[in-house]
Amino acid sequence: DAKTTQPPSMDCAEGRAANLPCNHSTISGNEYVYWYRQIHSQGPQYIIHGLKNNETNEMASLIITEDRKSSTLILPHATLRDTAVYYCIVRSYSGGGADGLTFGKGTHLIIQP
Amino acid sequence: GAVVSQHPSWVICKSGTSVKIECRSLDFQATTMFWYRQFPKQSLMLMATSNEGSKATYEQGVEKDKFLINHASLTLSTLTVTSAHPEDSSFYICSASRASGSYTQYFGPGTRLTVL
Repeated sequence: DAKTTQPPSMDCAEGRAANLPCNHSTISGNEYVYWYRQIHSQGPQYIIHGLKNNETNEMASLIITEDRKSSTLILPHATLRDTAVYYCIVRSYSGGGADGLTFGKGTHLIIQP
Repeated sequence: GAVVSQHPSWVICKSGTSVKIECRSLDFQATTMFWYRQFPKQSLMLMATSNEGSKATYEQGVEKDKFLINHASLTLSTLTVTSAHPEDSSFYICSASRASGSYTQYFGPGTRLTVL
């Protein structure tokens, strides 16, 4: 699976949109971009994933550049409960879902009151 | 939907004893489950991949005789840490992959193991 690069930490004011960037310049055509987050001492929580189109769900929006070499996760109205480590992961489906995930260091997002 | 549970949430045991951790997918069937380990201030590391009805596949450096994995049904996988030692103290997290569609992995809440 392709490697991803994320800033180690970011701050965002409560109520504002949090925009988390991710670089995946070596992504290949059959690889999806996944986002998870991990709140301290809990298991990771699935947020969203996409292939090439932008995606939106009740938690967040995912914007993927046209060349697919980078993406941005957007939390539209950040709350204190969104403080967590956010992981951007690129995953291939060549194994039919049988491949584990490779976690990098992620971005520690801190929402400021 | 897509809820994964783990039991116990935390366990303290003496060195040399064995500990079993259960992982269940509550509202979906998972042909594949995964076990991860996370040490303090580090990211999750994949330990093994577990397929229902077959032997688990272990990542390099993970001792298969020490970390026994059983995946007896489409909703249950167990991890047994045998002859635990203090260096096995860690946060153990399982995930389950839906058997169809996007194969998204959903994670359990984790089990904190402390070996004295």
